[in-house]
Amino acid sequence: GENVEQHPSTLSVQEGDSAVIKCTYSDSASNYFPWYKQELGKRPQLIIDIRSNVGEKKDQRIAVTLNKTAKHFSLHITETQPEDSAVYFCAASPYDKIIFGKGTRLHILP
Amino acid sequence: NAGVTQTPKFQVLKTGQSMTLQCAQDMNHEYMSWYRQDPGMGLRLIHYSVGAGITDQGEVPNGYNVSRSTTEDFPLRLLSAAPSQTSVYFCASSYLQAGGYTFGSGTRLTVV
Repeated sequence: GENVEQHPSTLSVQEGDSAVIKCTYSDSASNYFPWYKQELGKRPQLIIDIRSNVGEKKDQRIAVTLNKTAKHFSLHITETQPEDSAVYFCAASPYDKIIFGKGTRLHILP
Repeated sequence: NAGVTQTPKFQVLKTGQSMTLQCAQDMNHEYMSWYRQDPGMGLRLIHYSVGAGITDQGEVPNGYNVSRSTTEDFPLRLLSAAPSQTSVYFCASSYLQAGGYTFGSGTRLTVV
């Protein structure tokens, strides 16, 4: 079945700098790649997603890239702010289910 | 719309007891899933459904049963609770296979 690896598990960046989280997936049938943000004690919330026919997608300070050949996808957050501190999950969707990575805890340092 | 509603929010069970975690959505979503979240393990898929009457196993299905008799409801049953099932359980739903899931607020389950 699908296996999603996510790195790093913890990331600390200075406020205003950029953060990059990387994921790999194993099942070439995966065609949908969402990213979720989870604040402490809250439910995961979708922040951006990308489909397999698209290489890059941007939404304000957030961008995702997808390399289908290498089975890699990444989340880029620019001009980080204190409210970006959270756990971020990547996921891949083969067929009818969504499989998540183990998450990255992002700390924004003042 | 209430979105995805999970009950109860908190539950303590004794080892060997059974219980059902409830999940209901009012968005007419076909796709529904149950995940468990443990520290350092991310969100692991327990069972999922692509419509009423259709369910399938996820990554960690052992010890759990599901059914989907209506589009709205997707209950998760713990047959005989074990301490290893102590976790936070999230139900999620989506209109499309390749569509963002909406998550419920979660159920924090402790098995003693």
